[in-house]
Amino acid sequence: AQSVTQLDSQVPVFEEAPVELRCNYSSSVSVYLFWYVQYPNQGLQLLLKYLSGSTLVKGINGFEAEFNKSQTSFHLRKPSVHISDTAEYFCAVSGKTDSNYQLIWGAGTKLIIKP
Amino acid sequence: EAGVAQSPRYKIIEKRQSVAFWCNPISGHATLYWYQQILGQGPKLLIQFQNNGVVDDSQLPKDRFSAERLKGVDSTLKIQPAKLEDSAVYLCASSLNRSPDTEAFFGQGTRLTVV
Repeated sequence: AQSVTQLDSQVPVFEEAPVELRCNYSSSVSVYLFWYVQYPNQGLQLLLKYLSGSTLVKGINGFEAEFNKSQTSFHLRKPSVHISDTAEYFCAVSGKTDSNYQLIWGAGTKLIIKP
Repeated sequence: EAGVAQSPRYKIIEKRQSVAFWCNPISGHATLYWYQQILGQGPKLLIQFQNNGVVDDSQLPKDRFSAERLKGVDSTLKIQPAKLEDSAVYLCASSLNRSPDTEAFFGQGTRLTVV
């Protein structure tokens, strides 16, 4: 069965500092990978996705992620965070179950920006 | 473009009572999902509809949970009777189709507290 592990439940970082949110997945087949963001009191919103091709994927708000097949990782990065990036970030993998594809989610990482 | 609408935003009920949640997906989206998100965890798929048919309800506790999407548009999720462990945020999402690379759009969710 496929699973997603987000290694940090919370990541505190100073404003304008770089950040990396870690995500590892387990899968024996090709996967599609996603990062979603949930701002306070809002719904989940797609940040970026990896389907195929270049392993470096750029998303909204200056975020990017790198797909590493050998390490089964899809870490999210931003070179300089802003207070508005305060949110919870979820990594997800689209996995096949019987005849359907289903998103398997990590537990989330809360990004806490310190002024 | 209007987003996914959910109501109510918050609901508090006593255990053994019943409750219903409503979702209006984005116009034209054939696929609709209901997720349960328990505090500190990622979303868990409860049921997935394609138009008005059920694609996946393998993780729906069918002894107490039911969902319908009669006309292939709006959907309701019902819990009867509720248990304390049903306290969670219930998320509705929709997408154009079932393709695994298709973005899902989420509503703001309904926070249910069972006391």
